Amino acid sequence: EAGVTQSPTHLIKTRGQQATLRCSPISGHTSVYWYQQALGLGLQFLLWYDEGEERNRGNFPPRFSGRQFPNYSSELNVNALELEDSALYLCASSDPRGGNYGYTFGSGTRLTVV
Amino acid sequence: AQTVTQSQPEMSVQEAETVTLSCTYDTSESDYYLFWYKQPPSRQMILVIRQEAYKQQNATENRFSVNFQKAAKSFSLKISDSQLGDAAMYFCAYKKANSKLTFGKGITLSVRP
Repeated sequence: EAGVTQSPTHLIKTRGQQATLRCSPISGHTSVYWYQQALGLGLQFLLWYDEGEERNRGNFPPRFSGRQFPNYSSELNVNALELEDSALYLCASSDPRGGNYGYTFGSGTRLTVV
Repeated sequence: AQTVTQSQPEMSVQEAETVTLSCTYDTSESDYYLFWYKQPPSRQMILVIRQEAYKQQNATENRFSVNFQKAAKSFSLKISDSQLGDAAMYFCAYKKANSKLTFGKGITLSVRP
């Protein structure tokens, strides 16, 4: 069974540009979660999508947005990139039981803003 | 809001010894779930162990076990017979029903050969 896949693995952007990160959940998982892992700050919750709808949003500015497609894959978009957006972005998925058995994570996208 | 605190940023253990990683959390809920995740240098977060708050029995998974103290809101991870492959960052996490996972800041565990 394929795990959670994220692309690209690495992404280098210039300040002010837009970045698009992609995530494919495990087959059968309907929820997708995005986390930002900046150096020394642990995992900060960004977004939660379930059945195509945004269920919850973390304390991030509106330039962080995303969507979930009918096949449950998801996209995270970051507009007007700032230097402090440089981080590892982790995607996770969970089954329809709501993640009470834990999330399965991808290997992340390392975003570097220069 | 729920918070998860891991007060020790780093720990070190001798290979084959036992180490305990601490975690405390704050919640007003009675029903919730607690997790420990491991993040090796490969960056992939791996679920180590899970505990349901309504279960008094501490969870165990091979060399990994927890000490869950609900009244004290404490959830520590014990790693027995430490191996070099256990070296990683470990995150404690909390979740209530219909909500997201909230993580602590993590602890870096090194294993001395």
